[in-house]
Amino acid sequence: GAVVSQHPSRVICKSGTSVKIECRSLDFQATTMFWYRQFPKQSLMLMATSNEGSKATYEQGVEKDKFLINHASLTLSTLTVTSAHPEDSSFYICSARDRDLGTDTQYFGPGTRLTVL
Amino acid sequence: GDSVTQMEGPVTLSEEAFLTINCTYTATGYPSLFWYVQYPGEGLQLLLKATKADDKGSNKGFEATYRKETTSFHLEKGSVQVSDSAVYFCALSPNAGNNRKLIWGLGTSLAVNP
Repeated sequence: GAVVSQHPSRVICKSGTSVKIECRSLDFQATTMFWYRQFPKQSLMLMATSNEGSKATYEQGVEKDKFLINHASLTLSTLTVTSAHPEDSSFYICSARDRDLGTDTQYFGPGTRLTVL
Repeated sequence: GDSVTQMEGPVTLSEEAFLTINCTYTATGYPSLFWYVQYPGEGLQLLLKATKADDKGSNKGFEATYRKETTSFHLEKGSVQVSDSAVYFCALSPNAGNNRKLIWGLGTSLAVNP
């Protein structure tokens, strides 16, 4: 149980285009999902916390107009990187917390590798 | 504020060696503590956790004990395998706040040689 999927796993796009990444909890309902960014050989950087049916809470220094987050249902959150630039190239990871378990445990998706040319 | 400090890597061991990866934390109250593992090319997986003092989390031969007195949650394994090569992250979840964001250590890279 507690499986989280992400789609796509890899995406290459041209500078200036927008990219949408989906995060789904497959076998549980997640009121809260988190979006992280991971740079090579570094720890995870929390970008935003996404609550179902409400606006996301962004961490300091993260542009909310550039990284659009939508959490429209209890099993789906999306991250859209708008007008992507090469410096947005990174590994994006989502996680979800099981509503019914009510625990602190987060379950992670496999990540999405974004490359902006 | 809350923080997690992990020993710096990379750690290189021979197969069947004993592993310890140190993790200490700073937090108010009684946080939950976690170890996550990231295998090459994959996302993070929960390895083990402990939610209160003196709890021992264990999984796949790995163990970690929640030590309140030393504010530590060191990861140990008695005999590592090549397949344990990965990056290990220590994390804590504060006991307050609605969203309970995870506070992460920087990760420790482990390479196990045959």
